[in-house]
Amino acid sequence: DADVTQTPRNRITKTGKRIMLECSQTKGHDRMYWYRQDPGLGLQLIYYSFDVKDINKGEISDGYSVSRQAQAKFSLSLESAIPNQTALYFCATSDPDPRGSNEQFFGPGTRLTVL
Amino acid sequence: AQSVAQPEDQVNVAEGNPLTVKCTYSVSGNPYLFWYVQYPNRGLQFLLKYITGDNLVKGSYGFEAEFNKSQTSFHLKKPSALVSDSALYFCAVRDRGSTLGRLYFGRGTQLTVWP
Repeated sequence: DADVTQTPRNRITKTGKRIMLECSQTKGHDRMYWYRQDPGLGLQLIYYSFDVKDINKGEISDGYSVSRQAQAKFSLSLESAIPNQTALYFCATSDPDPRGSNEQFFGPGTRLTVL
Repeated sequence: AQSVAQPEDQVNVAEGNPLTVKCTYSVSGNPYLFWYVQYPNRGLQFLLKYITGDNLVKGSYGFEAEFNKSQTSFHLKKPSALVSDSALYFCAVRDRGSTLGRLYFGRGTQLTVWP
């Protein structure tokens, strides 16, 4: 979805390096999410944010941190990357639907490889 | 606890034949249900959702899904498969009684349609 962009799209780094993945959205949504995708495991939630001042851990937050710089921007950091953080990372956004369905819109993903 | 099961890692079907991708869910209350599709090197794209009302939901690209409350299932179907339908499909659920509003995803089913 072109309304949700992620940079970089691909990144190769070395163990111990600090990495930041960035997500921007033009949908005007309050809610933003970071997921990681590993083959056979589906999508696992890392962090989510319901507004600029609200950040919550998902089920696999260890080794990651986030920053919600503005409504439109949500960054994911790996303070000291390790090889098992090699994965495809997705950012997503949503807004509370009056009917409550909370449909999410995904960015194109960042493929991260940690050597 | 909320969870989604996609019992088949892979589904193979010949072009022109009907296809079914299975999904069962577990929520403490009533569900919102979603199907997303992921094409190679792309983010997840929304296909359809069940909120309330008619148990048969129609979505993009000719796909439909049937909500079955007694069997806690939300199987994705298409009457006539196309080679271009080959992709990774994810089912997701949200408890409509939850204030958190986050989705829980299944592990995904790889659909292959051969000519």
